[in-house]
Amino acid sequence: DVQMTQSPSTLSASIGDTVTITCRTSPSVFNYLAWYQHKPGKAPNLLISKASTLESGVPSRFSATGSGTEFTLTISSLHPDDVATYYCQQYDSNSVYTFGQGTKVEI
Amino acid sequence: QVQLVESGGGLVKPGGSLRLTCAASGFNFREYYMSWIRQAPGKGLEYIAYISNTGRYTHYADSVKGRFTISRGNANDSVTLQVSSLRAEDTAVYFCARLDTSNTHFDSWGQGTVVTVSS
Repeated sequence: DVQMTQSPSTLSASIGDTVTITCRTSPSVFNYLAWYQHKPGKAPNLLISKASTLESGVPSRFSATGSGTEFTLTISSLHPDDVATYYCQQYDSNSVYTFGQGTKVEI
Repeated sequence: QVQLVESGGGLVKPGGSLRLTCAASGFNFREYYMSWIRQAPGKGLEYIAYISNTGRYTHYADSVKGRFTISRGNANDSVTLQVSSLRAEDTAVYFCARLDTSNTHFDSWGQGTVVTVSS
């Protein structure tokens, strides 16, 4: 199975900051990596698919890069509404879906 | 727009069973694979199972294999998760989610239904 390591587990920042979350996999997952935003009591929301494709309706301050084993999610100019837990998720050839441990973003 | 609404959660004793249902609307249900994902209290997201668009193929996480069964009704646009032999560690919010057409990620989610396993 693919091993995933997401960091940091908690991130404290100020309004307007740029924050970066990292997800590492072993072995390579090519570009089968997605990012989600999850607020308590709400449905998780898909932000990024295929490593770097911004989903429709997602603010452009969200961006992501990476391929293979290292991926990053960047939030530019942090807004109060961005307080949430963020998860990476991979798909591998054994049809297994694995989520990262999550990063809680606080202001 | 896409809507997924889960129901059927509740309090159940260890060893008990429940039937969770997800009602889908706003898209052509027969074209999409569907899945269940859960979140235990204070924990992250955990994939549980998926079912193909025709219902022919299913897949389960090792943690629930043999105890949970996923099925779907394309006539009434619903997907069901039969959860049996429940353990305390199955206590979680259970989310229904739609897999995108490449089946590599989950593009729509419901708000979840809570399952609590306790004596």
